[in-house]
Amino acid sequence: QQQVKQSPQSLIVQKGGISIINCAYENTAFDYFPWYQQFPGKGPALLIAIRPDVSEKKEGRFTISFNKSAKQFSLHIMDSQPGDSATYFCAASKGWGAQKLVFGQGTRLTINP
Amino acid sequence: EPEVTQTPSHQVTQMGQEVILRCVPISNHLYFYWYRQILGQKVEFLVSFYNNEISEKSEIFDDQFSVERPDGSNFTLKIRSTKLEDSAMYFCASREDRVGYTFGSGTRLTVV
Repeated sequence: QQQVKQSPQSLIVQKGGISIINCAYENTAFDYFPWYQQFPGKGPALLIAIRPDVSEKKEGRFTISFNKSAKQFSLHIMDSQPGDSATYFCAASKGWGAQKLVFGQGTRLTINP
Repeated sequence: EPEVTQTPSHQVTQMGQEVILRCVPISNHLYFYWYRQILGQKVEFLVSFYNNEISEKSEIFDDQFSVERPDGSNFTLKIRSTKLEDSAMYFCASREDRVGYTFGSGTRLTVV
Protein backbone atom coordinates (compact mmCIF):
# COMPACT_ATOMS: atom_id res chain seq x y z
CA GLN A 1 0.00 0.00 0.00
CA GLN A 2 2.89 2.34 0.73
CA GLN A 3 4.85 1.42 -2.38
CA VAL A 4 5.53 3.54 -5.42
CA LYS A 5 6.63 1.49 -8.43
CA GLN A 6 8.81 3.16 -11.03
CA SER A 7 9.85 2.08 -14.51
CA PRO A 8 12.04 1.69 -16.41
CA GLN A 9 15.14 1.12 -14.26
CA SER A 10 17.33 2.63 -16.93
CA LEU A 11 16.67 4.61 -20.08
CA ILE A 12 18.84 5.76 -22.96
CA VAL A 13 17.55 8.58 -25.16
CA GLN A 14 19.13 10.46 -28.01
CA LYS A 15 19.73 14.16 -27.62
CA GLY A 16 16.61 16.05 -28.62
CA GLY A 17 14.32 13.10 -27.94
CA ILE A 18 11.57 12.70 -25.35
CA SER A 19 12.35 10.85 -22.12
CA ILE A 20 9.38 9.23 -20.39
CA ILE A 21 9.47 7.71 -16.90
CA ASN A 22 6.43 6.12 -15.31
CA CYS A 23 5.26 5.59 -11.75
CA ALA A 24 2.31 3.82 -10.18
CA TYR A 25 1.00 3.95 -6.65
CA GLU A 26 -1.58 2.07 -4.61
CA ASN A 27 -2.42 4.29 -1.68
CA THR A 28 -5.27 6.61 -2.70
CA ALA A 29 -4.48 8.82 0.29
CA PHE A 30 -1.36 10.07 -1.50
CA ASP A 31 -1.97 13.62 -2.68
CA TYR A 32 1.44 15.04 -3.49
CA PHE A 33 3.59 13.61 -6.27
CA PRO A 34 7.04 15.13 -6.80
CA TRP A 35 9.83 14.15 -9.12
CA TYR A 36 13.42 14.43 -7.97
CA GLN A 37 16.61 14.61 -10.00
CA GLN A 38 19.80 13.24 -8.48
CA PHE A 39 23.33 13.61 -9.80
CA PRO A 40 26.10 11.29 -8.53
CA GLY A 41 27.23 12.22 -5.02
CA LYS A 42 24.44 14.74 -4.56
CA GLY A 43 21.12 14.79 -2.77
CA PRO A 44 17.79 14.57 -4.60
CA ALA A 45 16.70 17.95 -5.98
CA LEU A 46 13.04 18.75 -6.53
CA LEU A 47 12.30 19.01 -10.23
CA ILE A 48 8.54 19.35 -10.47
CA ALA A 49 5.53 18.26 -8.44
CA ILE A 50 1.79 17.81 -8.94
CA ARG A 51 -1.33 17.43 -6.84
CA PRO A 52 -4.21 15.18 -7.96
CA ASP A 53 -6.58 18.05 -8.72
CA VAL A 54 -4.86 18.59 -12.08
CA SER A 55 -3.98 16.11 -14.82
CA GLU A 56 -0.89 17.83 -16.13
CA LYS A 57 1.74 20.30 -15.02
CA LYS A 58 4.44 21.75 -17.20
CA GLU A 59 7.59 23.61 -16.23
CA GLY A 60 9.89 24.35 -19.13
CA ARG A 61 10.91 21.06 -20.76
CA PHE A 62 9.51 18.99 -17.88
CA THR A 63 5.90 17.81 -17.74
CA ILE A 64 4.09 15.63 -15.23
CA SER A 65 1.05 13.74 -16.50
CA PHE A 66 -1.27 12.44 -13.80
CA ASN A 67 -3.99 9.80 -14.16
CA LYS A 68 -5.91 9.60 -10.90
CA SER A 69 -8.20 6.74 -11.93
CA ALA A 70 -5.26 4.58 -13.02
CA LYS A 71 -3.15 5.72 -10.04
CA GLN A 72 -0.27 6.51 -12.35
CA PHE A 73 1.88 9.52 -13.08
CA SER A 74 4.72 10.11 -15.45
CA LEU A 75 7.54 12.52 -16.17
CA HIS A 76 8.16 13.68 -19.72
CA ILE A 77 11.39 15.46 -20.58
CA MET A 78 11.12 17.18 -23.94
CA ASP A 79 14.15 17.96 -26.09
CA SER A 80 16.34 15.86 -23.77
CA GLN A 81 19.90 17.16 -23.31
CA PRO A 82 23.11 15.47 -22.15
CA GLY A 83 22.92 17.61 -18.99
CA ASP A 84 19.67 15.82 -18.13
CA SER A 85 21.62 12.59 -17.62
CA ALA A 86 20.92 11.73 -13.98
CA THR A 87 18.85 9.42 -11.80
CA TYR A 88 15.20 10.41 -11.50
CA PHE A 89 12.98 9.42 -8.60
CA CYS A 90 9.24 9.73 -8.37
CA ALA A 91 7.78 10.02 -4.90
CA ALA A 92 4.48 10.41 -3.11
CA SER A 93 3.22 11.63 0.21
CA LYS A 94 -0.13 12.22 1.86
CA GLY A 95 -1.29 15.43 3.40
CA TRP A 96 0.92 18.14 4.74
CA GLY A 97 2.69 18.46 8.05
CA ALA A 98 5.41 15.97 8.90
CA GLN A 99 4.39 13.42 6.27
CA LYS A 100 7.19 11.39 4.76
CA LEU A 101 8.01 10.90 1.11
CA VAL A 102 7.78 7.40 -0.32
CA PHE A 103 10.21 7.04 -3.21
CA GLY A 104 10.15 4.92 -6.32
CA GLN A 105 13.14 2.77 -7.21
CA GLY A 106 14.71 5.35 -9.51
CA THR A 107 15.48 5.56 -13.23
CA ARG A 108 18.98 6.12 -14.52
CA LEU A 109 18.59 8.33 -17.57
CA THR A 110 21.38 8.68 -20.12
CA ILE A 111 21.10 11.19 -22.94
CA ASN A 112 23.42 10.37 -25.81
CA PRO A 113 24.84 13.37 -27.67
CA GLU B 1 18.79 29.88 -2.55
CA PRO B 2 18.68 28.45 0.99
CA GLU B 3 20.33 25.07 1.44
CA VAL B 4 20.29 22.16 3.83
CA THR B 5 23.89 21.65 4.95
CA GLN B 6 25.25 18.27 6.01
CA THR B 7 28.57 17.42 7.63
CA PRO B 8 30.76 15.52 7.21
CA SER B 9 30.43 14.67 3.53
CA HIS B 10 32.13 11.32 4.10
CA GLN B 11 32.72 9.39 7.31
CA VAL B 12 34.50 6.10 7.75
CA THR B 13 33.96 4.29 11.02
CA GLN B 14 34.74 0.93 12.55
CA MET B 15 31.94 -1.51 13.16
CA GLY B 16 30.51 -1.04 16.66
CA GLN B 17 31.52 2.60 16.90
CA GLU B 18 29.09 5.46 17.42
CA VAL B 19 28.65 8.08 14.71
CA ILE B 20 26.85 11.39 14.67
CA LEU B 21 25.73 12.86 11.38
CA ARG B 22 25.01 16.55 11.43
CA CYS B 23 22.58 18.70 9.50
CA VAL B 24 21.68 22.36 9.45
CA PRO B 25 18.15 22.62 8.01
CA ILE B 26 16.82 25.74 6.35
CA SER B 27 16.17 28.24 9.09
CA ASN B 28 12.41 28.80 8.80
CA HIS B 29 11.53 25.18 8.11
CA LEU B 30 9.40 23.29 10.59
CA TYR B 31 9.75 19.64 9.65
CA PHE B 32 12.98 17.66 9.59
CA TYR B 33 13.79 14.27 8.17
CA TRP B 34 16.51 11.69 7.75
CA TYR B 35 16.55 9.38 4.76
CA ARG B 36 19.15 6.91 3.63
CA GLN B 37 20.16 5.48 0.28
CA ILE B 38 22.15 2.29 -0.01
CA LEU B 39 24.36 2.41 -3.10
CA GLY B 40 22.29 2.03 -6.26
CA GLN B 41 19.00 1.67 -4.42
CA LYS B 42 16.06 3.93 -3.71
CA VAL B 43 15.88 6.59 -1.05
CA GLU B 44 14.32 5.23 2.15
CA PHE B 45 12.64 7.14 4.94
CA LEU B 46 14.15 6.83 8.40
CA VAL B 47 12.50 9.40 10.66
CA SER B 48 10.57 12.66 10.73
CA PHE B 49 10.82 15.25 13.48
CA TYR B 50 8.56 18.14 14.39
CA ASN B 51 8.11 20.32 17.42
CA ASN B 52 11.08 18.68 19.14
CA GLU B 53 9.81 15.17 18.90
CA ILE B 54 9.72 12.26 16.49
CA SER B 55 6.60 12.30 14.32
CA GLU B 56 7.16 9.00 12.57
CA LYS B 57 9.90 6.43 12.21
CA SER B 58 10.43 3.52 9.89
CA GLU B 59 11.26 -0.09 10.72
CA ILE B 60 14.90 0.71 9.89
CA PHE B 61 15.02 3.28 12.70
CA ASP B 62 15.55 0.86 15.57
CA ASP B 63 16.98 1.44 19.05
CA GLN B 64 20.46 1.99 17.59
CA PHE B 65 19.28 5.23 16.00
CA SER B 66 18.37 8.51 17.64
CA VAL B 67 17.77 12.07 16.51
CA GLU B 68 18.18 15.34 18.28
CA ARG B 69 17.74 19.01 17.65
CA PRO B 70 20.06 20.29 20.37
CA ASP B 71 19.71 23.96 19.50
CA GLY B 72 17.76 26.13 17.08
CA SER B 73 19.81 25.22 14.06
CA ASN B 74 21.30 21.71 14.16
CA PHE B 75 19.57 18.39 13.59
CA THR B 76 21.61 15.26 14.26
CA LEU B 77 21.32 11.55 13.60
CA LYS B 78 23.20 9.26 15.96
CA ILE B 79 23.91 5.62 15.27
CA ARG B 80 24.94 4.08 18.56
CA SER B 81 26.77 0.94 17.43
CA THR B 82 27.31 0.85 13.69
CA LYS B 83 26.93 -2.29 11.62
CA LEU B 84 28.30 -3.05 8.17
CA GLU B 85 24.78 -2.76 6.74
CA ASP B 86 24.55 0.84 7.98
CA SER B 87 26.89 1.82 5.16
CA ALA B 88 24.87 4.18 2.97
CA MET B 89 24.32 7.80 1.98
CA TYR B 90 22.34 9.58 4.66
CA PHE B 91 20.29 12.57 3.59
CA CYS B 92 18.81 15.21 5.81
CA ALA B 93 15.75 17.09 4.52
CA SER B 94 13.60 19.90 5.78
CA ARG B 95 10.43 21.64 4.71
CA GLU B 96 8.06 24.41 5.58
CA ASP B 97 4.42 23.54 5.83
CA ARG B 98 2.65 23.11 2.48
CA VAL B 99 5.93 23.28 0.53
CA GLY B 100 8.21 20.66 -0.98
CA TYR B 101 11.14 19.03 0.75
CA THR B 102 14.71 20.28 0.40
CA PHE B 103 17.45 17.68 0.68
CA GLY B 104 21.05 18.14 1.70
CA SER B 105 23.96 16.72 -0.30
CA GLY B 106 24.29 13.80 2.06
CA THR B 107 26.87 12.10 4.25
CA ARG B 108 28.43 8.96 2.88
CA LEU B 109 28.88 6.59 5.82
CA THR B 110 31.25 3.70 5.36
CA VAL B 111 31.39 1.10 8.13
CA VAL B 112 34.46 -1.14 8.01
